[in-house]
Amino acid sequence: EAQVTQNPRYLITVTGKKLTVTCSQNMNHEYMSWYRQDPGLGLRQIYYSMNVEVTDKGDVPEGYKVSRKEKRNFPLILESPSPNQTSLYFCASTSLGTGAEAFFGQGTRLTVV
Amino acid sequence: LAKTTQPISMDSYEGQEVNITCSHNNIATNDYITWYQQFPSQGPRFIIQGYKTKVTNEVASLFIPADRKSSTLSLPRVSLSDTAVYYCLVGGSFYNQGGKLIFGQGTELSVKP
Repeated sequence: EAQVTQNPRYLITVTGKKLTVTCSQNMNHEYMSWYRQDPGLGLRQIYYSMNVEVTDKGDVPEGYKVSRKEKRNFPLILESPSPNQTSLYFCASTSLGTGAEAFFGQGTRLTVV
Repeated sequence: LAKTTQPISMDSYEGQEVNITCSHNNIATNDYITWYQQFPSQGPRFIIQGYKTKVTNEVASLFIPADRKSSTLSLPRVSLSDTAVYYCLVGGSFYNQGGKLIFGQGTELSVKP
């Protein structure tokens, strides 16, 4: 079954404690990205990757890092989380063809206290 | 990137057909039109995609007029489980989009018994 898997689904952490949210896809997609969703602000892209070792900033990259060492994995790293990073996070993957369908993970609800 | 405009919310009753229209006046020649569905706290899910005329799958139909400046998502005989936010996206190859899916505010559909 084609899927994008994020872990953890829920996370409560304290300010400044480094954390990683993992994302893995089983469709051999070249493109992966991270979004955050906040009430009234919709879905905003954090980072994206067009292929292995190729990453770029999205609209709201401050406070986040990513890496793409393997095609299937695209972890999101918060080196020093702050309360304004409390949000619902989604990972997505797609092939790079014209009009390709995007597959989203189940989401990770992060709370930083 | 083509901007989209859709109603903020719509109400319907079980068993009715629901039509959600999206306006995209500056759609480019190589842009596709894609609709996603999102339930609360879940990732967006691909519903249907088209380029022109009419596309139908097992869950919805997509009507696109000849000028392609708008599109209509049609959900036949909705049920309570169709209550969700529906997003209209317009875009072509991810290479041309800077690797980004642009989600607007979406249409919040509420289906009542």
